[in-house]
Amino acid sequence: NAGVTQTPKFQVLKTGQSMTLQCAQDMNHEYMSWYRQDPGMGLRLIHYSVGAGITDQGEVPNGYNVSRSTTEDFPLRLLSAAPSQTSVYFCASRTRGATEETQYFGPGTRLLVL
Amino acid sequence: SQKIEQNSEALNIQEGKTATLTCNYTNYSPAYLQWYRQDPGRGPVFLLLIRENEKEKRKERLKVTFDTTLKQSLFHITASQPADSATYLCAGSNDYKLSFGAGTTVTVRA
Repeated sequence: NAGVTQTPKFQVLKTGQSMTLQCAQDMNHEYMSWYRQDPGMGLRLIHYSVGAGITDQGEVPNGYNVSRSTTEDFPLRLLSAAPSQTSVYFCASRTRGATEETQYFGPGTRLLVL
Repeated sequence: SQKIEQNSEALNIQEGKTATLTCNYTNYSPAYLQWYRQDPGRGPVFLLLIRENEKEKRKERLKVTFDTTLKQSLFHITASQPADSATYLCAGSNDYKLSFGAGTTVTVRA
């Protein structure tokens, strides 16, 4: 199993540009989520999905869109990038209903918005 | 709003000693707490989960406690080794959404 994969690893954007961060998992997990990690602030939940076709907002959803057309993929779209979106983005997945809710994280995408 | 706080940003410890990290939660009562390890440039890796009705849980040299009276979890690394040097994250939840603390960076000196 590859686990949770994310592309790209690094990205530089100009203010106003749009892009999609890709996330895929091969563990057949129903639950997937996106976090951003900023220095001194910990991981903050952006959006999450409990299954294909179902998404919901987390703590900091503004400026981001998601969709979940398959169990495997959960892309995060930045509609019009802003310097405040400079961060490290992590995708995570886990099984619903497991007795131990282990969450698996991807390696992260480092985004710089100029 | 619900909050998870890890009081120490950094902890330096001599090899062989026990490292103790603190995680406090406010404005809610999580059904469970999780602890993760994060190495520089990598994603967090799950270590342990403890539920609110469990006082203590162990995994190899790791021990975690959950005190609902103090609203606190303690994470212990016994017989610490330089390889234990990393950032440790605490997270709490009542459902699928996890709230994370900012982390404590542990450095184990040889």
